[in-house]
Amino acid sequence: EVQLVESGGNLVQPGGSLRLSCAASGFTFSSYNMNWVRQAPGKGLEWVSYISSSSSMTYYADSVKGRFTISRDNAKNSLYLQMNSLSDEDTAVYYCARNRLGKPDYWGQGTLVTVSS
Amino acid sequence: QSVLTQPPSASGTPGQRVTISCSGSSSNIGSNTVNWYQQLPGTAPKLLIYSNNQRPSGVPDRFSGSKSGTSASLAISGLQSEDEVDYYCATWDDSLNGVVFGGGTKLTVL
Repeated sequence: EVQLVESGGNLVQPGGSLRLSCAASGFTFSSYNMNWVRQAPGKGLEWVSYISSSSSMTYYADSVKGRFTISRDNAKNSLYLQMNSLSDEDTAVYYCARNRLGKPDYWGQGTLVTVSS
Repeated sequence: QSVLTQPPSASGTPGQRVTISCSGSSSNIGSNTVNWYQQLPGTAPKLLIYSNNQRPSGVPDRFSGSKSGTSASLAISGLQSEDEVDYYCATWDDSLNGVVFGGGTKLTVL
């Protein structure tokens, strides 16, 4: 069974940093591209970032480019999102999602990031 | 403003068939397949349709998808009260180099 478990969400002050993690199991993690997708309270889904299976390619939404960094450790079956210079517009539930045929298929349960003073 | 355009709401009565549209452009729907997701309140999205019209194991055949040109549609037949949740379309955008989502459609079962 595919499982994705996010962690690291927390309350952080504007301008602060946070690192999210996603632990994957139930599939060959190193064979799949991965995404981070977020959902602000009461809003729709917003793609944040993508990383290829070998980490050779990474893409970012314009809203986070230059502030967020996606990475992975295939030996640890883990995906990460380093978030810097956070603003209240980054407040959201952040989902880790496996990528298949260019789009997410399996999703984690999400981790809440709240940016507030 | 979402790259893919969905109606914010849709409705139908129990047993009825409803469709939800998803409109894009040549760089996204026009050149890539479409997924549909169902999201219950407070939970993660669940894959409902992939590759335009394929159902993952466990998804009832009441749900079907189609794509034509730069638009896609999700159809739900035999509408049930439990279908009253949010639905999202998504695809890859070759110009943006990223996944693009529709704004979501809230389905109401009257």
